[in-house]
Amino acid sequence: QLQLQQSGPGLVKPSETLSLTCTVSGGSISSTSYYWDWIRQPPGQGLEWIGSIYYSGSTSYNPSLKSRVTISVDPSKNQFSLKLTSVTAADTAVYYCARQWEVAYAFDIWGQGTRVTVSS
Amino acid sequence: QSALTQPASVSGSPGQSITISCTGTSSDVGSYNLVSWYQHHPGKAPQLMIYEGSNRPSGVSNRFSGSKSVNTASLTISGLQAEDEADYYCCSYAGSRTYVFGTGTKVTVL
Repeated sequence: QLQLQQSGPGLVKPSETLSLTCTVSGGSISSTSYYWDWIRQPPGQGLEWIGSIYYSGSTSYNPSLKSRVTISVDPSKNQFSLKLTSVTAADTAVYYCARQWEVAYAFDIWGQGTRVTVSS
Repeated sequence: QSALTQPASVSGSPGQSITISCTGTSSDVGSYNLVSWYQHHPGKAPQLMIYEGSNRPSGVSNRFSGSKSVNTASLTISGLQAEDEADYYCCSYAGSRTYVFGTGTKVTVL
């Protein structure tokens, strides 16, 4: 059973960079059938898609976040990562990593979520 | 890329059927039959309930069904049960491997 395990700090200072990692276990991140995504949920708000990466390194991003987001993949470690620069309080959210089932255009497996607070 | 519009809340009694709407535009919901639906219990990871508008993943109850008309997708839960009380989100493919989620609907079982 494939699982996604998230790691990273729960507190980030304003103007700094938020960094999270998602480790894939029970399967390979290099599978050609899936993309790997980041999604977030600010407090009291809905889900927001952040971006996606394929094992080859091909990425796509939410246009509203594109200037600040970088998603990378490390197939040797079976991990993918999120970096969000110049964070503000508006970036406070629960961040999820998820597997995107390519042919279904849907997110079928999710990580446990990481609550990230932006505060000094 | 604006969020898809969902009703803030929908409620029903046990055994009843409810329908949640998800309205987008001709750039997302209207262009692709690629709407997915997620059940989200607070504090847990969201769960995929419907993909490609009307398909259920293995293990999801057949009480959940999806449909689409023009720019609006819908999720119907029939035979409502207490365990169905949760937040529900739609999500549509928006081209170029990008996605947009709905505003979310809180389902209450009376």
